[in-house]
Amino acid sequence: AQSVTQPDARVTVSEGASLQLRCKYSSSVTPYLFWYVQYPRQGLQLLLKYYSGDPVVQGVNGFEAEFSKSNSSFHLRKASVHWSDSAVYFCAVSSNAGAKLTFGGGTRLTVRP
Amino acid sequence: DAGVTQTPRHEVAEKGQTIILKCEPVSGHNDLFWYRQTKIQGLELLSYFRSKSLMEDGGAFKDRFKAEMLNSSFSTLKIQPTEPKDSAVYLCASRPGTGENTLYFGAGTRLSVL
Repeated sequence: AQSVTQPDARVTVSEGASLQLRCKYSSSVTPYLFWYVQYPRQGLQLLLKYYSGDPVVQGVNGFEAEFSKSNSSFHLRKASVHWSDSAVYFCAVSSNAGAKLTFGGGTRLTVRP
Repeated sequence: DAGVTQTPRHEVAEKGQTIILKCEPVSGHNDLFWYRQTKIQGLELLSYFRSKSLMEDGGAFKDRFKAEMLNSSFSTLKIQPTEPKDSAVYLCASRPGTGENTLYFGAGTRLSVL
C-alpha cells in the first residue's frame, strides 16, 4: 500500500518570495511521484513528475521538485512566486507505470500581492 | 487535441433522484478514472477502467455508485439514489495506459444534492 501526506493544508506567501510545499510518501517500492495543480473551477493539471534519475526535476512555470529516498519526500519549490500561482497543489504517488495514483490532501497556496 | 470533457458542469438534484454524469476521455487513452473531490476527504477514487474493463470500483462506493464505459470514448457515472452527502465535485481523468501514467483531468461536474 502507498500513501501521501501533505502536512500543510494552507500556505500563504508574499509575491516574489520563495516557496516550498512539502510532500511525504510511503511506498514499499521506488515510487513514481507527481505534483499537480488545480486552479479554481478547473481540473488538475500536471506540474512535474519523477520516475528515476536526477532527483531534482523541473516542471512548468518555474516549479521544481526534489526526490529524497532517505527522507521519503518529494517537496515542491519555486524561487519566486507570482499571484497567479495561487491554487491548490496535490502530490501523488503510484507504485508502477500501470498503477493507480494515490493523492495527498492538497495544499492551498495563497500569494499575497 | 481535445482534452477530457465532462458534462454537465453543474448538476442540482433532489434527494433520492438518479443522476448520470458523463465523461469523454482523451482520444486514444486506454485508462479512465472517476474521482470524487470534497474539502474534507480530498480526492477519492470511485472507479478505474483499463481498455473498458473495470479494474477497481472504489470499495466503499459500490453501493449507490455505478460507473460504466459504454465504449472507449465515453463513460458514465450513475448515482442512484442521491443523498445530500454526495454533494461534491466529480472528476474524470484519462491516461494513455501504455507505460505513461500521467493523468489528464476534466474540469469536473459540481453536484449539489438538496
